Amino acid sequence: ETGVTQSPTHLIKTRGQQVTLRCSSQSGHNTVSWYQQALGQGPQFIFQYYREEENGRGNFPPRFSGLQFPNYSSELNVNALELDDSALYLCASSPRGSKVQFFGPGTRLTVL
Amino acid sequence: GESVGLHLPTLSVQEGDNSIINCAYSNSASDYFIWYKQESGKGPQFIIDIRSNMDKRQGQRVTVLLNKTVKHLSLQIAATQPGDSAVYFCAENMGDNAGNMLTFGGGTRLMVKP
Repeated sequence: ETGVTQSPTHLIKTRGQQVTLRCSSQSGHNTVSWYQQALGQGPQFIFQYYREEENGRGNFPPRFSGLQFPNYSSELNVNALELDDSALYLCASSPRGSKVQFFGPGTRLTVL
Repeated sequence: GESVGLHLPTLSVQEGDNSIINCAYSNSASDYFIWYKQESGKGPQFIIDIRSNMDKRQGQRVTVLLNKTVKHLSLQIAATQPGDSAVYFCAENMGDNAGNMLTFGGGTRLMVKP
């Protein structure tokens, strides 16, 4: 186990709704990244947070947003859900000064 | 749990044999590479990493080889065990300007036959 936890484990939403996913990083890790993994594919980088600010973003629209809190935990918010947003959402944390990322178990989002 | 990699390339090996999983990466500026193992219903699990100033790095039962000339990465697993069955992903970091962003390959499913 990496020490990275995510909640909830599974979530079902309908098109147009909004969702918030949560992540607690491993102790001592100050950088958090979020990834989307569609079925049968590798994870795709959404964005990264460092010192409570977004510090890099992948090719995702603005309806994907996030937060990082002083304790380094993080949230991913997705507005106006679309069917294609159905995926496994992964959170990963990194220790200071390191590029290695340790992943949580993910949140499985299904949009109907 | 959900299925990972329904249509991925598959490598099937006999228990006890050595496995070699290959990966072609995309960016010659990438300076850091990681291999992850992902079991069904779980997040990716770190296996081993390597920086671009190295050609080879060894861990417990695993070796990563990096060929920067042809932008190729491989993961060798010695004495493959049934517990090694999973989907394996390589990932690259494209230098300091990319922060910690990792770009993942498509993955390879490893199946170990008892």
